[in-house]
Amino acid sequence: GNSVTQMEGPVTLSEEAFLTINCTYTATGYPSLFWYVQYPGEGLQLLLKATKADDKGSNKGFEATYRKETTSFHLEKGSVQVSDSAVYFCALSRASGTYKYIFGTGTRLKVLA
Amino acid sequence: NAGVTQTPKFQVLKTGQSMTLQCAQDMNHEYMSWYRQDPGMGLRLIHYSVGAGITDQGEVPNGYNVSRSTTEDFPLRLLSAAPSQTSVYFCASRFTSYQPQETQYFGPGTRLLVL
Repeated sequence: GNSVTQMEGPVTLSEEAFLTINCTYTATGYPSLFWYVQYPGEGLQLLLKATKADDKGSNKGFEATYRKETTSFHLEKGSVQVSDSAVYFCALSRASGTYKYIFGTGTRLKVLA
Repeated sequence: NAGVTQTPKFQVLKTGQSMTLQCAQDMNHEYMSWYRQDPGMGLRLIHYSVGAGITDQGEVPNGYNVSRSTTEDFPLRLLSAAPSQTSVYFCASRFTSYQPQETQYFGPGTRLLVL
C-alpha cells in the first residue's frame, strides 16, 4: 500500500544551522509529494510540493527534490531561524478512486537562539 | 476569504455525550475531509466528501458520522463520545479530488477532550 515514513523527532538545532528532515515513501505509480508545516496552535499549511520526478519544490528558503530512484523527498534549509520552529509533515497524494493524502507522522523542529 | 473555519476551538465532553464539530469553507471546494491528529500517529483520515450529498469513509471512521448538504459545510458528529476520541480534529478542503497535485487547505483545528 501507500505510505510515508519520516525521521523521528524532535530535531533541535541552533539558529543558522543546516536542516535536513528525511522523508521516504512507498507508492505505486507517480504520486505528488508535499511538505506541510504546522506552527504551534495552528492548522497545517502547505510549505512546498513537487508533482513529478526530479522536480524541486521550494519556499521560504526550504527545498525538497522528488527522487524517484530513492523514493525520497527530503526537506532541507541552509540556515534555520527560531521562527522555523514547528512540526513538519511529509505527504503524498495518490489515486485510489479519489486522490487521498497520506501523511507521515510529523517531525518536530526546535530552533534555539 | 475566511478559508476553512472550524468551531469550537476547544471542547470537553463526558463519555457518552454527543456533539457536532462544525467546518465551513468559502472557496467553493468540492473536496472536504476530516482528520484526527494524535501524538506519534500523524494525521489519519476519518471521513471525506467529494461533493454535496456524497460522503465516504476514511481509515478511522468508527464512532463518527458526517453529512454534506451544501458545498460549504461539512460537520462531523460524534455519536457517543469515548476517551479514545480525545484528539485534535482538523477539517481540510481542496478544489477537486481528481488532481493529485491539488493543495489541501486546513482549518485551525478543534481540540477535544473526552473524560
